[in-house]
Amino acid sequence: AQTVTQSQPEMSVQEAETVTLSCTYDTSESDYYLFWYKQPPSRQMILVIRQEAYKQQNATENRFSVNFQKAAKSFSLKISDSQLGDAAMYFCAYTGTVDSNYQLIWGAGTKLIIKP
Amino acid sequence: DAGVTQSPTHLIKTRGQQVTLRCSPKSGHDTVSWYQQALGQGPQFIFQYYEEEERQRGNFPDRFSGHQFPNYSSELNVNALLLGDSALYLCASSILPTVTGELFFGEGSRLTVL
Repeated sequence: AQTVTQSQPEMSVQEAETVTLSCTYDTSESDYYLFWYKQPPSRQMILVIRQEAYKQQNATENRFSVNFQKAAKSFSLKISDSQLGDAAMYFCAYTGTVDSNYQLIWGAGTKLIIKP
Repeated sequence: DAGVTQSPTHLIKTRGQQVTLRCSPKSGHDTVSWYQQALGQGPQFIFQYYEEEERQRGNFPDRFSGHQFPNYSSELNVNALLLGDSALYLCASSILPTVTGELFFGEGSRLTVL
């Protein structure tokens, strides 16, 4: 069965600094997708960034980028120039094209605190 | 453009009761997925509805059931409530069942079982 692990329950960073959130996963599938979602206090999950496993190039969305290491099954999120609005729970999620089709498998989340 | 809307936002029930949660998908979306998020945890997939049928189901007992209507809206029903059913229930919509994870989420329904 596929699993997603986030080993950092909480991280804090000074405003305008850079922070990296860690995620590892386990799967036997070769074709899959990885995501980072943000959940602010409003509770609504918002997609931050997506990575397709067959693409070697790391995904980037403005201040957000990932370090995707397929062999190590690692998928970290880097947030540059942190802003107060980045404070939220961040969840790493996985979906495969075979065994976990149609459903997202989630990590336990990392709470990100931004210090002004 | 209305996003995913869920109702009610909060509700309190007692053990053994039944509850119905509702979800209207984002305009143009035809697929609805339901997730349970216990406090301090990541979401767990309950099931997905497409073309008014349950297409995929997670590891949840039969007490959890659902329905999708012709207008694509959906309901989640939970019977014989247990204390452990207390959680945030998230609805997500998409265009077709998708493996790409392009889901749009509602703000959830917070269920407390006493």
